[in-house]
Order: sequence, then C-alpha cells, then structure tokens
Amino acid sequence: DTEVTQTPKHLVMGMTNKKSLKCEQHMGHRAMYWYKQKAKKPPELMFVYSYEKLSINESVPSRFSPECPNSSLLNLHLHALQPEDSALYLCASSRTPNQETQYFGPGTRLLVL
Amino acid sequence: GQQLNQSPQSMFIQEGEDVSMNCTSSSIFNTWLWYKQDPGEGPVLLIALYKAGELTSNGRLTAQFGITRKDSFLNISASIPSDVGIYFCAGQNRGSTLGRLYFGRGTQLTVWP
Repeated sequence: DTEVTQTPKHLVMGMTNKKSLKCEQHMGHRAMYWYKQKAKKPPELMFVYSYEKLSINESVPSRFSPECPNSSLLNLHLHALQPEDSALYLCASSRTPNQETQYFGPGTRLLVL
Repeated sequence: GQQLNQSPQSMFIQEGEDVSMNCTSSSIFNTWLWYKQDPGEGPVLLIALYKAGELTSNGRLTAQFGITRKDSFLNISASIPSDVGIYFCAGQNRGSTLGRLYFGRGTQLTVWP
C-alpha cells in the first residue's frame, strides 16, 4: 500500500480566510513533504518534515504554516493568501528522509479569490 | 538548483504508436524516477532506477538509467488512450540533501484513438 490521502480535494478561499490542508499516510513513513504545483509545471518543494521535525523550508512566505502533529499527519495552515497562491498543493511521503522514493497524494486544488 | 532538461515538451501520437522521451542533467544523480500525472491528480510513480546502466520495465513502459548518470529515458510501447497525461522525470541523490527531487519540466502526451 503506497497511499497518501489529502483533504479537501478542492478549496476556495478569500484572501482574509484561514484554512488548513491535511495529509495522511499510514505506511510508517518518517519523511513528509509539501509541494506547490502550477498548471503544466513540475512540483516545487515547499517544506520537508523529517521524523516530525521541520528540516527544510524553501523560503516559503509565512502565510503558509506547516505542522506535523504526528508521524502520520501533515497539515498546511493557510492565512491571508494571495490570488497567485492558487495552485495544486501536493503532499508526499517517503520511508526515510533521504533514502527512499517519494509517493504523492492526489493533491488539493486551491483557488484564492 | 540542478537543472533537468526533459524533451520533448509535448507529443501528439496515434494509438498504437511507440513513444520515447528523455531527461538530461548537468549533474549526476544516483537515482532516476519517472512519474505520470493525470489532470487534477498527484504524480504516480511509474519506474524507479537505482544503478547506472539499469534497464527496467513495467508493463509497456521501459526506462533506462544512463551510463553517465546524467540522463534517463522512458519508452512507452503500443500507446493507448489512457497513456494521456504529463510525464515527469526526477533525479535524486539518495543519502544526501534529504532526498530532494529535481524535476524535469514534463512531457505532455496526447494519444489520438
């Protein structure tokens, strides 16, 4: 089983809203990732969590706030987003942070109005 | 960051034809991955390559890890309509930099029935 689940599948929010994206995996993976993907472009790495600790922040604006409550869950809290933040947000996980293949979830399609 | 050149950018082919796409890098990798992404979905891993010169098949898909470790190709034989999607190559150096993936820009494949 290589399933990563993400909720919600679609999200529309205003620039003053606060919302959260959720990601879950039950494969015992200890590395989890957030990516942002614009249409017809490759995914861009945002954050990496390694053993529930934030290990990489790719200079992401503070309006994006990641959280890893436990080894199976990864959240991305959104606040005061801009229309240019509209994109597909992908979660991925791998068994260990630097040795294993990454498996992606289906993504959350975010539209910021 | 490391730049991956993936070509062609797009392909329009007829059902039953074979497809070939490739990826080259200015730097070496110890892992090459090929993902397929359907519209609105996350990338799905097709083939992972771990050794220079390795040739691996997955059904109608065949991929090779170049001897120089700077390139990889993916072939699809006897294409069918469900092969439509965007194919991404990704290079990775396991054991370093938290397993960061470096993506190609993608090949958009359209298959006409």
